[in-house]
Amino acid sequence: DAGVIQSPRHEVTEMGQEVTLRCKPISGHNSLFWYRQTMMRGLELLIYFNNNVPIDDSGMPEDRFSAKMPNASFSTLKIQPSEPRDSAVYFCASSPGGADTQYFGPGTRLTVL
Amino acid sequence: GENVEQHPSTLSVQEGDSAVIKCTYSDSASNYFPWYKQELGKGPQLIIDIRSNVGEKKDQRIAVTLNKTAKHFSLHITETQPEDSAVYFCAASDGGSQGNLIFGKGTKLSVKP
Repeated sequence: DAGVIQSPRHEVTEMGQEVTLRCKPISGHNSLFWYRQTMMRGLELLIYFNNNVPIDDSGMPEDRFSAKMPNASFSTLKIQPSEPRDSAVYFCASSPGGADTQYFGPGTRLTVL
Repeated sequence: GENVEQHPSTLSVQEGDSAVIKCTYSDSASNYFPWYKQELGKGPQLIIDIRSNVGEKKDQRIAVTLNKTAKHFSLHITETQPEDSAVYFCAASDGGSQGNLIFGKGTKLSVKP
């Protein structure tokens, strides 16, 4: 298996622009997670899905952030409009479901100028 | 909800020495405790995990112990090598959720040759 795939790996954009991050989970996994990692705040859970349904989005910072999972093999995290404080590494992870191992993707490093 | 505390935040050891990282959790319903290693520029990778029906698990130079009564678990690395240098995260399953993991803040381990 190729593991969790994220794109792009790096994104540099200007404040106010829309940013879309993409994730392909491991085939057969039922749960998908979006995390944000910064030096100051560590690893933060933004939102997670079970069977394509959002379960908990309490970690989403504000209305500028939205996430979708239209099918079992694809998810997006969108920031509109982006701000410099959104600069971070965003990770997607998937797991078979239930209390189980999460497998992380390589991350997308986002820089908002 | 679950809360996970991890100590120390940084740890420096000489090559060949042992390293111990400790975590405590608050939710007695937690039943899955993974440990992740994150190298620079990469996503966290699972290195070992333990479930609540087991007190100790070992895999070559790494071991994890779990004390459910005291609600704490520890990672032990023996005969440390320079390539063990990384950030290590503990996590505990959120007993009230459908598969969410609550992560500690991480420990930066440096192994000096």
